Amino acid sequence: GEDVEQSLFLSVREGDSSVINCTYTDSSSTYLYWYKQEPGAGLQLLTYIFSNMDMKQDQRLTVLLNKKDKHLSLRIADTQTGDSAIYFCAERTDSWGKLQFGAGTQVVVTP
Amino acid sequence: SAVISQKPSRDICQRGTSLTIQCQVDSQVTMMFWYRQQPGQSLTLIATANQGSEATYESGFVIDKFPISRPNLTFSTLTVSNMSPEDSSIYLCSVEDGGAGGRTDTQYFGPGTRLTVL
Repeated sequence: GEDVEQSLFLSVREGDSSVINCTYTDSSSTYLYWYKQEPGAGLQLLTYIFSNMDMKQDQRLTVLLNKKDKHLSLRIADTQTGDSAIYFCAERTDSWGKLQFGAGTQVVVTP
Repeated sequence: SAVISQKPSRDICQRGTSLTIQCQVDSQVTMMFWYRQQPGQSLTLIATANQGSEATYESGFVIDKFPISRPNLTFSTLTVSNMSPEDSSIYLCSVEDGGAGGRTDTQYFGPGTRLTVL
């Protein structure tokens, strides 16, 4: 099975908060990342968190890390239609930079 | 963050031919990576390319099928050889930003090359 798991789909109303969840299995992960991929585009790095942190906030984005449960979440406040995309979480699994990606969560924002 | 460009952005190729994808970075970087994203799926690392040494391939990927060059700290190529329809994917390069010899542990991606093999 995959080392990084995400739910595949999330529908949210414009203006509400979105929460995207991710679980990982490698307890030695040093960094965990959230990337955004819009249709037909490459990956945009949204934010990342070091494994010794519990939380990181960056404008509308809040990342929560529960290292005990190996659970990572991304909260998007005041979700906008421009936030509709696929969101990938990824863990850094070695010192050489290899990233293990989840399958991606498709977020659809409805008016 | 590093600005990464890839050429071509997309291509349609015939079975049995080869395609070379270029990745150019606007600053010197030590680590460059090549990923594949098959239709509707997540990203899988193909190989890590460091300047001055042979690429390191992940399980399931071999040099004969995906030869990689890394002639300097700003450029790399990935060739998809003897293509079949199963090679239809998006191919993305990524870099660790931080300058030559430096690492920030953040990885940035190029826009990708969308390949269709008929």
